[in-house]
Amino acid sequence: DIVMTQSPLSLPVTLGQPASISCRSSQSLVHSDGNTYLNWFHQRPGQSPRRLIYRVSNRDSGVPDRFSGSGSGTDFTLKISRVEAEDVGVYYCMQGAHWPGTFGQGTKVEI
Amino acid sequence: EVQLLESGGGLVQPGGSLRLSCAASGFTFYNYAMSWVRQAPGKGLEWVSAISASGGNTYFADSVKGRFTISRDNSKNTLYLQMNSLRAEDTAVYFCAKIGRIVVIPAAVDYWGQGTLVTVSS
Repeated sequence: DIVMTQSPLSLPVTLGQPASISCRSSQSLVHSDGNTYLNWFHQRPGQSPRRLIYRVSNRDSGVPDRFSGSGSGTDFTLKISRVEAEDVGVYYCMQGAHWPGTFGQGTKVEI
Repeated sequence: EVQLLESGGGLVQPGGSLRLSCAASGFTFYNYAMSWVRQAPGKGLEWVSAISASGGNTYFADSVKGRFTISRDNSKNTLYLQMNSLRAEDTAVYFCAKIGRIVVIPAAVDYWGQGTLVTVSS
């Protein structure tokens, strides 16, 4: 299975400041159909995960534009341009063109 | 609005069985693959099982293969997970998740339920 490695695992942030999370895969996530199936999820304490970004850089409906995703091949990044209080929680990257998809370990973001 | 409502969790002894259900609404259930993802207390996310829209293709994590069965009733808009021979390491919150495709493409998961807690303990 493909292993997803996130860093850092804990990220103290300051309100209004930028933040960045890295995700690295053990092999290229470029699929034969040309797409790269890398998502980012956000999970608040006591809640279910919510998808923020799909296929590396596409924001889901309702996701604030302060969130952006980038990367290619095996290296990916989630950036928050200006952290807000509601952004606390755990962020997961996930790859999955084929079963089984795999998640990163999660990055805990705290103010 | 897509809604996924899990039920059936609870406390069960090691070796016991449990059946989880996920009632879906707000979308055309029979057009989408579905899945179960679990999260052990304080831990990360793990895919458990998935099923295609028609129910003809099923997938399982190695950790549950041979013990868990996934099924769906498209006439009732309901997804199921039958869990047998439960172990302490199966203790987790089990989330029902919709996959935005007919076939199982894990990366196409788009909506999640709130989860149901399964505790395996004597």
